[in-house]
Amino acid sequence: KAGVTQTPRYLIKTRGQQVTLSCSPISGHRSVSWYQQTPGQGLQFLFEYFSETQRNKGNFPGRFSGRQFSNSRSEMNVSTLELGDSALYLCASSLEGGRGYTFGSGTRLTVV
Amino acid sequence: AQSVTQLGSHVSVSEGALVLLRCNYSSSVPPYLFWYVQYPNQGLQLLLKYTSAATLVKGINGFEAEFKKSETSFHLTKPSAHMSDAAEYFCAVSGISSGSARQLTFGSGTQLTVLP
Repeated sequence: KAGVTQTPRYLIKTRGQQVTLSCSPISGHRSVSWYQQTPGQGLQFLFEYFSETQRNKGNFPGRFSGRQFSNSRSEMNVSTLELGDSALYLCASSLEGGRGYTFGSGTRLTVV
Repeated sequence: AQSVTQLGSHVSVSEGALVLLRCNYSSSVPPYLFWYVQYPNQGLQLLLKYTSAATLVKGINGFEAEFKKSETSFHLTKPSAHMSDAAEYFCAVSGISSGSARQLTFGSGTQLTVLP
């Protein structure tokens, strides 16, 4: 059974640019969540999607957005990148959320 | 509201010694509790979870944790540390009801070092 796949693994962007990260959940999982991990703030929840609807959103500015497709694959977008957006972005999938989450290997975003 | 406190950002043990990583939680609803491990440049791997069944939970790689409601604790233990256990460990909580309680709230992590 394939795990959660995140692409790309590494990304370098310039301040002011935008970026799109992709996540393919485990087959059959309908819930996809995104987390940001930084040395200073730790692991923080960004948002959760279930059946193409955003069910829950963390405390991040509107520059951070996401969506989920009918096949449960999800993307997150960050516009007008800032240096502080440099982080490991983790995607997690679950059957319906709550009881357990399987994480991907993450996308390491560096903003220069 | 949910929160997790992990006591000790760094823990060192000798190979073969007991591993004890502490986690206390706060939750306004009955919680689900998790321990994850993260190796360098990798994502999070689930070690074990408590979802309101048995209070003593056994996980992978010889780890176990006990849910103690009266102490609001969910400490992680392993009887004998192995060099391969060196990693960062995260305790997390989520609620069982709908809405924001479904998201994972993480502790700040504990870096475990295993000394030869």
